[in-house]
Amino acid sequence: AQKITQTQPGMFVQEKEAVTLDCTYDTSDQSYGLFWYKQPSSGEMIFLIYQGSYDEQNATEGRYSLNFQKARKSANLVISASQLGDSAMYFCAMRDRMDSSYKLIFGSGTRLLVRP
Amino acid sequence: EAQVTQNPRYLITVTGKKLTVTCSQNMNHEYMSWYRQDPGLGLRQIYYSMNVEVTDKGDVPEGYKVSRKEKRNFPLILESPSPNQTSLYFCASTAWGGQGYGYTFGSGTRLTVV
Repeated sequence: AQKITQTQPGMFVQEKEAVTLDCTYDTSDQSYGLFWYKQPSSGEMIFLIYQGSYDEQNATEGRYSLNFQKARKSANLVISASQLGDSAMYFCAMRDRMDSSYKLIFGSGTRLLVRP
Repeated sequence: EAQVTQNPRYLITVTGKKLTVTCSQNMNHEYMSWYRQDPGLGLRQIYYSMNVEVTDKGDVPEGYKVSRKEKRNFPLILESPSPNQTSLYFCASTAWGGQGYGYTFGSGTRLTVV
């Protein structure tokens, strides 16, 4: 069964520093997509970044980059130059391209707190 | 602005009183789905729809109904809500293929059933 594991329930980072949020996944499929979402205290889910299993380059979106290590089945999110507004829950998610439900499997999340 | 709009944002209701949570997207997406988020259980898919008139059960469909009469709308219906349906609900949509595109989520509906 597919599974996403986020082992860091909570993390602190100093403003302007970089932080890495860990995500490992388990799937027997070769074709899948990996996503990161941000959930601020207001509750909405905000899409941050996407990595396809066949993408050779690590994805980047502004201050967000995804450190994709396929052999290790990890897809860590790196946030550079942290800002106070980055304080939120962060979820890693996966979709198996062969799953007809197009369902996203989510991890349990990491709560990030940025210190001024 | 491309978005998924859910209403209401907050709802408190009583057991057994039918309710509908609306979801509308303006991106012409074929695929829409509903999730619920609960502490300790994460986000779980309730129902999904591949296109108009095509819906199917997700992982936790009991107690819910959906319909997809128009491409843009995908309402979630609770015919007889119970306290165990107290949760944070999200509607999401994506274009066909889904890969390379983030699933766009609505702002969420926080439902309390007393």
